[in-house]
Amino acid sequence: DAGITQSPRHKVTETGTPVTLRCHQTENHRYMYWYRQDPGHGLRLIHYSYGVKDTDKGEVSDGYSVSRSKTEDFLLTLESATSSQTSVYFCAISESLLAGGSSYEQYFGPGTRLTVT
Amino acid sequence: LAKTTQPISMDSYEGQEVNITCSHNNIATNDYITWYQQFPSQGPRFIIQGYKTKVTNEVASLFIPADRKSSTLSLPRVSLSDTAVYYCLVTTSGTYKYIFGTGTRLKVLA
Repeated sequence: DAGITQSPRHKVTETGTPVTLRCHQTENHRYMYWYRQDPGHGLRLIHYSYGVKDTDKGEVSDGYSVSRSKTEDFLLTLESATSSQTSVYFCAISESLLAGGSSYEQYFGPGTRLTVT
Repeated sequence: LAKTTQPISMDSYEGQEVNITCSHNNIATNDYITWYQQFPSQGPRFIIQGYKTKVTNEVASLFIPADRKSSTLSLPRVSLSDTAVYYCLVTTSGTYKYIFGTGTRLKVLA
């Protein structure tokens, strides 16, 4: 399995508080992604990174910010958590964006279950 | 990005071959078809990817007709451990955009 860890694995927080989720990889892959998964929606991309300090928005980026100061770490921050951000958050990594080879695969972490009360 | 449509759920029995079909009518020339598998409380896992015709690996086969408007994931001789959600994605080479739909929930019965 790809070396991806997420922390914390579970978190309960109150509305209005800031929350930071961490994704750590040991694969030295260039690309890192944050998704959220909700019933009836599958997985939706929040933000992604294509290198240190290089990030871009996904389809559901409102209310989220990210940072990547090192190749191995990608942080997702909820500046002021809301109940609508209760979800399971997955980090993923990939080596390449070019399809047709094994380096194109996205490897997913174990997920973080976040509950905002 | 091409939208995909796949059945919401399927049931099968152990030892049977399972075929899950996905339609992607608006697939573009530089799009690939990719399938992921997800078990409860885990992240998705890559199964197979193809562009046209047939691709086979140790886990599954992927059949893509000439017009590429649909594809079929074939799982040979499923077991109870194949119970999972299977996602069909159309992915564009060179971009980061993965669009996961709601997937097909496969239940394998004893």
